[in-house]
Amino acid sequence: NAGVTQTPKFQVLKTGQSMTLQCAQDMNHNSMYWYRQDPGMGLRLIYYSASEGTTDKGEVPNGYNVSRLNKREFSLRLESAAPSQTSVYFCASSEVYDRISGYTFGSGTRLTVV
Amino acid sequence: QKEVEQDPGPLSVPEGAIVSLNCTYSNSAFQYFMWYRQYSRKGPELLMYTYSSGNKEDGRFTAQVDKSSKYISLFIRDSQPSDSATYLCAMSENTGFQKLVFGTGTRLLVSP
Repeated sequence: NAGVTQTPKFQVLKTGQSMTLQCAQDMNHNSMYWYRQDPGMGLRLIYYSASEGTTDKGEVPNGYNVSRLNKREFSLRLESAAPSQTSVYFCASSEVYDRISGYTFGSGTRLTVV
Repeated sequence: QKEVEQDPGPLSVPEGAIVSLNCTYSNSAFQYFMWYRQYSRKGPELLMYTYSSGNKEDGRFTAQVDKSSKYISLFIRDSQPSDSATYLCAMSENTGFQKLVFGTGTRLLVSP
């Protein structure tokens, strides 16, 4: 099925461990995004990539890095996980100037840092 | 103050009720307005979009935008238990790179 695929779906990390969240889309979208969602805080933008080869910080970038590997793939890395990074992470994609279709989201990665 | 404000709820209604979900915003440059529906443990899915002011209807759902008041609404008629979800409003400006600004979401519970 066409869409945004995120892996893994669940992960438990110990404080200080590192990991990479993977995201791939098959809709030929130019733009990709990483959000975290916490109770009462809504969706907060971590990083985005307007097009292949570019990345920019969002609202809450500290503690994260990203790589736009190619047009399809956009990964999010936690170098040294902290309990404050316990959250549900969503990847999304869109066309740069298509304001009708909005964003297409993946099903999320539930991350717990202990 | 956040750019987009949304009451988190939860909003509990009986089956068949008319539901009203709302968002207010502060950026007068917003022109595109969207509603996303998010089921538990799933990603948000686009439900409806509206451009500028006015109403848009799709089945049991009606989206309204009042730009003069910076207020948008989503109405659900004949609500069903399957409508139980979190509803997020989102909006963007009309120029440049599309960057959606989301509300925090309102949790809706429709009881049979």
